[in-house]
Amino acid sequence: GNSVTQMEGPVTLSEEAFLTINCTYTATGYPSLFWYVQYPGEGLQLLLKATKADDKGSNKGFEATYRKETTSFHLEKGSVQVSDSAVYFCALSDQSLGGYQKVTFGTGTKLQVIP
Amino acid sequence: DTGVSQDPRHKITKRGQNVTFRCDPISEHNRLYWYRQTLGQGPEFLTYFQNEAQLEKSRLLSDRFSAERPKGSFSTLEIQRTEQGDSAMYLCASSLGQGSYSNQPQHFGDGTRLSIL
Repeated sequence: GNSVTQMEGPVTLSEEAFLTINCTYTATGYPSLFWYVQYPGEGLQLLLKATKADDKGSNKGFEATYRKETTSFHLEKGSVQVSDSAVYFCALSDQSLGGYQKVTFGTGTKLQVIP
Repeated sequence: DTGVSQDPRHKITKRGQNVTFRCDPISEHNRLYWYRQTLGQGPEFLTYFQNEAQLEKSRLLSDRFSAERPKGSFSTLEIQRTEQGDSAMYLCASSLGQGSYSNQPQHFGDGTRLSIL
């Protein structure tokens, strides 16, 4: 079955530091890949997506490149802010046997940015 | 686009009671999903609707759980005879699907946090 593996947190960085959160996946088909962000007490918000190999998703200074050869989709940001503190989920979607978009999530990586 | 709305945001109840949650998806979205999220974990799929039809259910969805989407708009998730292990965040998501498959992303609500005493 499909699976997503993320680096364990929490990740603690100083403001303006460079961020990398690693994500690798296992899938039988050709999945789409996503990063979602969850702030305390809230649901998940889509951060960025990539639908095919070598696509780069980007949003709000975050970016991730779909690497089929390494089955990876690492999240990066050049300069983090305190407001980026949240839990980040890597996810993949593929077509289920039932014909719907089945999404598999990683366990999440908590990011703490200190001033 | 007013987003996915869930009600209530929090529910505290005693073990053995029944609870019902409501989800209002984004209005033009025909696909609706329920997930359960426990502390420190990612969301786990529970069930999926396309319009009013419930097309797939996870093995996580025991007989005590039932979900409906009677008119293809809002959905309800009911848990009967709640147990301690049901304590979790229940998330609803919706998406626009055309044809048998779509890679349109799912949009999530803020969830209902259930606490069983």
